[in-house]
Amino acid sequence: EAGVAQSPRYKIIEKRQSVAFWCNPISGHATLYWYQQILGQGPKLLIQFQNNGVVDDSQLPKDRFSAERLKGVDSTLKIQPAKLEDSAVYLCASSLDRDSLSQYPYEQYFGPGTRLTVT
Amino acid sequence: EDQVTQSPEALRLQEGESSSLNCSYTVSGLRGLFWYRQDPGKGPEFLFTLYSAGEEKEKERLKATLTKKESFLHITAPKPEDSATYLCAVQVMGYSTLTFGKGTMLLVSP
Repeated sequence: EAGVAQSPRYKIIEKRQSVAFWCNPISGHATLYWYQQILGQGPKLLIQFQNNGVVDDSQLPKDRFSAERLKGVDSTLKIQPAKLEDSAVYLCASSLDRDSLSQYPYEQYFGPGTRLTVT
Repeated sequence: EDQVTQSPEALRLQEGESSSLNCSYTVSGLRGLFWYRQDPGKGPEFLFTLYSAGEEKEKERLKATLTKKESFLHITAPKPEDSATYLCAVQVMGYSTLTFGKGTMLLVSP
């Protein structure tokens, strides 16, 4: 079974430039997540999609970050304009979780991440 | 506010020297606790899911346990290839997102 795919793997941009990351989840996974991982920290959720609808974007800096998941499959995360503090690894994850009210916990599967450096 | 605290931050072991990593958590209602392994330059790799106090799961040299306040990841007779950062995350009832700890960086020397 193919895992979560992400591209690009690395990106270096100057501050105030824009950048976009792409994610293709595991086939059949309804729920997709974007996380930001700063060096030495655990991943922090940015946004969660179920199918092509946003479930949680409470921690997404909406003045500069945007994300979409067209047709409920692939997703794109964009930063415009980038700041120095956006330097991090951006991780995409997917899971089979369709009903958060279920008592059963569903694990998330992560892609390799995109390492962004803003200079 | 949901909190996850991992200790120690870093751990250095000799090959064959068993030890445990700790993950303490404070949540309103636990749906599940997850352990992941992360190698440098890679995304987190799923290891275990636990959701009931007293539950234990094993995989090769790793065993994860869960109480109402904390989880332990026991590493028996580790090998250098077990060197990685181990992340603990919690999922709260009514939500599917994960809240992660900062991780424990494990280095196993031959």
